Amino acid sequence: DAKTTQPTSMDCAEGRAANLPCNHSTIGGNEYLYWYRQIHSQGPQYIIHGLKNNETNEMASLIITEDRKSSTLILPHATLRDTAVYYCIAYTGANNLFFGTGTRLTVIP
Amino acid sequence: GAVVSQHPSRVICKSGTSVKIECRSLDFQATTMFWYRQFPKQSLMLMATSNEGSKATYEQGVEKDKFLINHASLTLSTLTVTSAHPEDSSFYICSARKQTGVKGAGYTFGSGTRLTVV
Repeated sequence: DAKTTQPTSMDCAEGRAANLPCNHSTIGGNEYLYWYRQIHSQGPQYIIHGLKNNETNEMASLIITEDRKSSTLILPHATLRDTAVYYCIAYTGANNLFFGTGTRLTVIP
Repeated sequence: GAVVSQHPSRVICKSGTSVKIECRSLDFQATTMFWYRQFPKQSLMLMATSNEGSKATYEQGVEKDKFLINHASLTLSTLTVTSAHPEDSSFYICSARKQTGVKGAGYTFGSGTRLTVV
């Protein structure tokens, strides 16, 4: 599965949109992008996934560039409970999920 | 839905003793479960893949005789840390994959077990 790179940390004001970038320049055509988050001392939680088209669900939106080399996870109205480490994972479904270092998002009151 | 229960949530044990951690899929059957380890401020590292009715597959560098995995049923996998040492202190997380009827890749994670060896 392709490697992804994310900023180490980000801050976001409560109530504002949090935009978390992810680069995946070597992503293969059959690799989906998955986003999980891990709140402190808990197991990872699935957020959203996509292949080529932008996706939206009740938690977030996923914006994927046309060349699929980068993407952005958007939390439209961040709350304090969104403070967590967010992982962007390229995954074909064939192997195990590989967690990189992720982005530590801190939502500030 | 897909719920994975992990027990205990935290445990403190003495050096040299063994500790068993349970991972249960509550509302689905999982032929495969996964065990991860996470040190402070680091990411999750896959330790092994637990296969129901057969031997677990361990990642490179993980001692199979130290981290015993048993997957005796379709809803239960156990990880036993044998002869624990302080360096085994970590956050252990299990995961099970439900192939259909769930969002995303189908991986559901337990809430983790914080092991402290004193």
